[in-house]
Amino acid sequence: KQEVTQIPAALSVPEGENLVLNCSFTDSAIYNLQWFRQDPGKGLTSLLLIQSSQREQTSGRLNASLDKSSGRSTLYIAASQPGDSATYLCAVRDGTGTASKLTFGTGTRLQVTL
Amino acid sequence: KAGVTQTPRYLIKTRGQQVTLSCSPISGHRSVSWYQQTPGQGLQFLFEYFSETQRNKGNFPGRFSGRQFSNSRSEMNVSTLELGDSALYLCASSFGGANVLTFGAGSRLTVL
Repeated sequence: KQEVTQIPAALSVPEGENLVLNCSFTDSAIYNLQWFRQDPGKGLTSLLLIQSSQREQTSGRLNASLDKSSGRSTLYIAASQPGDSATYLCAVRDGTGTASKLTFGTGTRLQVTL
Repeated sequence: KAGVTQTPRYLIKTRGQQVTLSCSPISGHRSVSWYQQTPGQGLQFLFEYFSETQRNKGNFPGRFSGRQFSNSRSEMNVSTLELGDSALYLCASSFGGANVLTFGAGSRLTVL
């Protein structure tokens, strides 16, 4: 059974800092991995999707890397801003592809202060 | 283009009642999946539908059911509500299930 862990559970940083959020998974036979953000009381917004054959994806100030063999992914946020404050979740789709389940991590709650 | 629409946004029910939640996916998306989010358990997968067929199911009791219509709209139903069913229910749509998911804002269910 796939288990996804995110560390740290919460993080507070001053504006402008670069930061790294971690996601680890127990079964390395994954199909893809997605990073989402969730604002309080809202749905999820997709940030980046990395296919199992890829090593990283970039979008603006965000960069996500994937190391399947070690069961880890990191989300790097450059030059953090107060608007980045949210909960960040990673989700792993297992290796059977389109008909497989998505397993979410418990999230990292990020606060960027002025 | 319109996003994923979930209705109702908020609802309050009492134990033993049943509830139906609706999800309208992005136009052209054929896959709809449902998730339950609670503070204690986080986000858990309920089920996924693709072209009116349930393609996958999470580990929830039979009280939780769903369906998808020919226009890809989906509903989920929870019968005999329990206090522990209080949660934010999220649906997401995508072209083929393994693609990028677009989530709705959720339906917040409170069971008293």
